[in-house]
Amino acid sequence: DTAVSQTPKYLVTQMGNDKSIKCEQNLGHDTMYWYKQDSKKFLKIMFSYNNKELIINETVPNRFSPKSPDKAHLNLHINSLELGDSAVYFCASSQVTQGYGYTFGSGTRLTVV
Amino acid sequence: SQKIEQNSEALNIQEGKTATLTCNYTNYSPAYLQWYRQDPGRGPVFLLLIRENEKEKRKERLKVTFDTTLKQSLFHITASQPADSATYLCALAPNYGGSQGNLIFGKGTKLSVKP
Repeated sequence: DTAVSQTPKYLVTQMGNDKSIKCEQNLGHDTMYWYKQDSKKFLKIMFSYNNKELIINETVPNRFSPKSPDKAHLNLHINSLELGDSAVYFCASSQVTQGYGYTFGSGTRLTVV
Repeated sequence: SQKIEQNSEALNIQEGKTATLTCNYTNYSPAYLQWYRQDPGRGPVFLLLIRENEKEKRKERLKVTFDTTLKQSLFHITASQPADSATYLCALAPNYGGSQGNLIFGKGTKLSVKP
């Protein structure tokens, strides 16, 4: 009964590969997010998405793309992986109209070698 | 430029004392501010939300204050316990003409409570 689940938990891959991280929430929230936490533990917004609008942080390279097959899922696709993409990626969800906190997944540690 | 700053990277206190963590922001006018706890290898967990028209909010041993004039929030843990040891993150949603932006996080303060 995990609220926000991400798979895989760990991902090790070579430079230049394309990979995806999946995220699912069973909370009925209307908005989902992807955050990146770098080695200095700084948590930075990458995308937010609800069924009406995708908001992309302008600093995110276009090699990163979110895909939402339905309201409960927001997957992250990364093309041509680079060493600097190594980080922990967190998916989160919230019900924006309630103004409550975000619920985060447990993270995916991506290591590019 | 817009900034969220948590003054201390690390805070060490003795069990039973009150821990006080500080969050300052500049060039934002948030409608609310949130605090999260993050344990190693885990995602952040929501603790408290305080709105701009609220001065103080409490939840069990936690207390948050919000001073929109000083642009500062204080987060207190009373009667601290070793189990309170974690990184605490301050977060706010920028207010863009009445609509809320996505949560922006501070870098966090790592709290260590010694027995």
